[in-house]
Order: sequence, then C-alpha cells, then structure tokens
Amino acid sequence: GAGVSQSPSNKVTEKGKDVELRCDPISGHTALYWYRQSLGQGLEFLIYFQGNSAPDKSGLPSDRFSAERTGGSVSTLTIQRTQQEDSAVYLCASSPDRLSGNTIYFGEGSWLTVV
Amino acid sequence: AQSVTQLGSHVSVSEGALVLLRCNYSSSVPPYLFWYVQYPNQGLQLLLKYTTGATLVKGINGFEAEFKKSETSFHLTKPSAHMSDAAEYFCAVTPSFFGKGTRLHILPSKSTFGDGTTLTVKP
Repeated sequence: GAGVSQSPSNKVTEKGKDVELRCDPISGHTALYWYRQSLGQGLEFLIYFQGNSAPDKSGLPSDRFSAERTGGSVSTLTIQRTQQEDSAVYLCASSPDRLSGNTIYFGEGSWLTVV
Repeated sequence: AQSVTQLGSHVSVSEGALVLLRCNYSSSVPPYLFWYVQYPNQGLQLLLKYTTGATLVKGINGFEAEFKKSETSFHLTKPSAHMSDAAEYFCAVTPSFFGKGTRLHILPSKSTFGDGTTLTVKP
C-alpha cells in the first residue's frame, strides 16, 4: 500500500504475556519511528531507526520494550511481560530521511489493551 | 530541551465561526513546527508545517498557522469552521541544527508533541 501499515490494528492480551506489533513503512523511507499514545495523553516517542545506523532507543520506557528493524524495512516492537499501564495506541511512522524538514507519515496505530 | 503546550484540551465552536487552537513551544535551537490532525479512528495526518521562510503557513482544509518567534507561538486558525473539522489536533516541535553550510537539518526522533486539543463543531 501507499501508506504506513501496522498490524494488528487491535490486540487484547493478558497481563504478563508478550506481544509483538508490526510496522511496514512507506517503501523507500529510511527513517522509522515508534510512538505511543496513552488514553488522554500526548504522543510519547519510543524509538527511532535511521538506515543502518544504531537506533535511538532513548524513549523506551523499560527493558521490557524492544524493537527491531529487519532489512531496513519492516519493524517489530516487542513488549515482554505486559502490564496494564502498557495499554495504549502504538503508532509507527516513517519519513524519507532525517534531512530538510521532511514530514513523518503515521500509520493508523495498533490499539493494545492489557487486561 | 524543548516542550509544547497546547492551551485548552477541548475547544468548541459553532459551524462557520473562527477556529483558534493555541500552541506555545520552547526550544533551545531553531524549531520546526507542525500541526497534525487525528480524525476518529484514523491515524495522524499532517495539516501544515513551518521550517524556514514565510512565517504564515497554509495547510490543507483551509487551516493556517503563523510562527511568531517573539511569542514562541504557532497557533492554528481557520476562518470558518466546518462540521468535518471535528477532530483532535496536535502541535509538535522538532529541533533543527545547522549542518554543512547553512542548511538546517531536523532531528525527528526528538519530536515533542503537545497533549492535543479536541475540537467540537456545533451546528
């Protein structure tokens, strides 16, 4: 497709289980970002991939969170031993590169509910 | 360091009335500023952005915003609200830095978003 694609769109999981969220960026975009938005909150930056450079993980809230980007394209965000406070919308975005004010394009998000 | 403050988590206007959504920012380096809109059950969509040059920027759906450095503001306006404008609006700031020569680069991983303003349009 033409846009950023995320799956699953909705996920309900039990506390303590692991979840994986997938992001397919726009073809050719070298930069990929993960954000999350908790209910009633603004967007919170999680992690940023740029080409083959080491990712910027400064936003990951705990070591239960990790992300990979294979082949410079698809990315997976993994949350281990989920907690109720992990319930949020997880948004993926991509952009052509990090230069010149390029806009980042968001997917529609993966809605995670931890019960 | 940078921050974004959106004044008013909820704004309600009548159809046809002026829309004004306020955004103030702080940034230790020249900022790039963005407004995004999120319609119900949809992802974020860029409305407009300011990088350099003209301080009054026009976006989609008749929205515009003016960058006022002296006031550290980037308020979003639309002269006449339409029912379809009902959505949540986010202001975002991204720091820039000077790369080679005078070209400005951005650090998109460091984007900071406001908490959002929900716009309601009454018939």
